[in-house]
Amino acid sequence: TQLLEQSPQFLSIQEGENLTVYCNSSSVFSSLQWYRQEPGEGPVLLVTVVTGGEVKKLKRLTFQFGDARKDSSLHITAAQPGDTGLYLCAVSYNNNDMRFGAGTRLTVKP
Amino acid sequence: DAGVTQSPTHLIKTRGQHVTLRCSPISGHKSVSWYQQVLGQGPQFIFQYYEKEERGRGNFPDRFSARQFPNYSSELNVNALLLGDSALYLCASSRGAGLELFFGSGTQLSVL
Repeated sequence: TQLLEQSPQFLSIQEGENLTVYCNSSSVFSSLQWYRQEPGEGPVLLVTVVTGGEVKKLKRLTFQFGDARKDSSLHITAAQPGDTGLYLCAVSYNNNDMRFGAGTRLTVKP
Repeated sequence: DAGVTQSPTHLIKTRGQHVTLRCSPISGHKSVSWYQQVLGQGPQFIFQYYEKEERGRGNFPDRFSARQFPNYSSELNVNALLLGDSALYLCASSRGAGLELFFGSGTQLSVL
């Protein structure tokens, strides 16, 4: 079983729509990170959430860490074609490696 | 400033061959990590090196090895290539363990 389960696996929406993607686990984490990966590129860190219940906003992106620090969500308002990409959640494991979920592949159509 | 650079960008090998992938970290970063990303999956941790010493190893066979040089650049070596080794190999650097990772664009390895 995956340490981090991301849903949905694929999401295709029209420009201007809102969406939420999820990252769930049965384990408790001290922090959780969200990355975005575009085709042909490596992942780029978007945010790190640390405190249970924490909400962070990055322009049209809102990240929330669950109260129990087992899950997280990413909400995008008024999605744009530039938001297209693979959204990955990740947690630090043994302080030496990051464990990633399988990701949500988002396509925003103009 | 230059980001993390990886070479080559693409590589085609046949089963049984050996491959060496290279990574140059961001200037000032002493930690380099290697990840394997197969199609449709998130990156999987292979190795982490800090100050030229191995600090972490993922669940990969001994065919995979790596090293870090005095200038903090790194090589990933894979022997006896299998079809299943086909993947995007990502290198990431950071100032230290547990700190923000900065990824390169990866090497796309195809094993035929």
